[in-house]
Amino acid sequence: QKEVEQDPGPLSVPEGAIVSLNCTYSNSAFQYFMWYRQYSRKGPELLMYTYSSGNKEDGRFTAQVDKSSKYISLFIRDSQPSDSATYLCAKRFSFGNEKLTFGTGTRLTIIP
Amino acid sequence: EAQVTQNPRYLITVTGKKLTVTCSQNMNHEYMSWYRQDPGLGLRQIYYSMNVEVTDKGDVPEGYKVSRKEKRNFPLILESPSPNQTSLYFCASSPRDRSGSGNTIYFGEGSWLTVV
Repeated sequence: QKEVEQDPGPLSVPEGAIVSLNCTYSNSAFQYFMWYRQYSRKGPELLMYTYSSGNKEDGRFTAQVDKSSKYISLFIRDSQPSDSATYLCAKRFSFGNEKLTFGTGTRLTIIP
Repeated sequence: EAQVTQNPRYLITVTGKKLTVTCSQNMNHEYMSWYRQDPGLGLRQIYYSMNVEVTDKGDVPEGYKVSRKEKRNFPLILESPSPNQTSLYFCASSPRDRSGSGNTIYFGEGSWLTVV
């Protein structure tokens, strides 16, 4: 079993729709959870960073963590064509260990 | 401008010909690492460095070497490249997370390497 599982998609939704992206993980020692966005032929860029269970909101983006179920989600409201990218979930162990473990990424296309 | 710079961005080489991919960051970060990205496998860590002269293996270190002689540079060395090392490579850097509150990891633009 992979440490981080992510549906690779591809996922296509119409502009303006709410997008839900999900990851599951197997190692309960993970403490920090991140979502990265990667445009084609570019490096990943950090989108959301969260530590605790619950929701974290930043503009049109909401990250949700459920540690009891080992499940994290990213919601995108009012999706735009510029949101078309690959979204990678990532996990990190606790303080002092910098290594990131990534999911395989979900390729998202927003259709105008 | 804060950035992580990798070179070359694109390279086609032949099996067995040693090559080096350079990585430099201008943010005075302690932590640097190398990842490779392959379809269906995502990003996997090759090597990482917590500071100058401190390096350690990641998940897929076979066939690679690294060095950290200066804080800003972290080159990736392929002593004898093979076709299974054809991949997209990313260098990343971040400050040490001293407070435990989390930090941002910055990625370079990527280096496309093809070994024939």
